Amino acid sequence: GQNIDQPTEMTATEGAIVQINCTYQTSGFNGLFWYQQHAGEAPTFLSYNVLDGLEEKGRFSSFLSRSKGYSYLLLKELQMKDSASYLCAVHGASGGSYIPTFGRGTSLIVHP
Amino acid sequence: DVKVTQSSRYLVKRTGEKVFLECVQDMDHENMFWYRQDPGLGLRLIYFSYDVKMKEKGDIPEGYSVSREKKERFSLILESASTNQTSMYLCASSPQGPYEQYFGPGTRLTVT
Repeated sequence: GQNIDQPTEMTATEGAIVQINCTYQTSGFNGLFWYQQHAGEAPTFLSYNVLDGLEEKGRFSSFLSRSKGYSYLLLKELQMKDSASYLCAVHGASGGSYIPTFGRGTSLIVHP
Repeated sequence: DVKVTQSSRYLVKRTGEKVFLECVQDMDHENMFWYRQDPGLGLRLIYFSYDVKMKEKGDIPEGYSVSREKKERFSLILESASTNQTSMYLCASSPQGPYEQYFGPGTRLTVT
C-alpha cells in the first residue's frame, strides 16, 4: 500500500519562496509527480522525479530523496497566480501497470 | 494540443438513477483513470484501465463500474446513484509507464 503526507495549507507572501513537503511510504516506487490545481480546474503536471536530487524548471524546483521517502516542491518569486492546490503523487506498480497514488494536496495561499 | 474531454461539467441526478459519465482522450494513451475528488480527501482512484476491455479496481470501486470498449473512451457508471456519490469526478489518461497524467475538466455530480 501507499501512504502520502503533505501539509493541508500554507500561506506565503508575493515575491517570497515557499517549500511544500511530501513524505511517502510505498511498497514500490516508480517516480514522484507534482501537479498544480487551481480552484475549479483540473490538475496540471508540474514536475517528475525518479532519481535523487533536484529538478529545476523555471521558478519551480522539485527534490527527491528515495532513502528518506521525501520530496519537496520549491516555488520561487511567488506570484498571486501561484495560489492553488499542489498535489504530490507517487507511482507504484500493479501487475505491470504504473498506478499513481495522490496525497490530499496542499492549498497554497499567496497574499500581497 | 493534448485533450481529455468529459461529457458534462455539471450533472444533477436523483437517488436511484443510473448515471453515465463519459471520458474521451485524443492522445492514443493506453491508460485511463477515473477519480473522485472531495474536500479534505484529495483524489481517490475509483477504477483504471490499461487497455481496451481491461479494467482494475482502484481504492474505492464500490457502487461504480466502468467500460472501455474503445481505446479513446472510458465510461464510469453509477448503477444506482446515492447521495454519498455527490462529488467532483475527474478522468485522466497517460501513456503506458510512469508518465504524467492528463486530466479532463471534471464533472461535478450532485445526487439529490
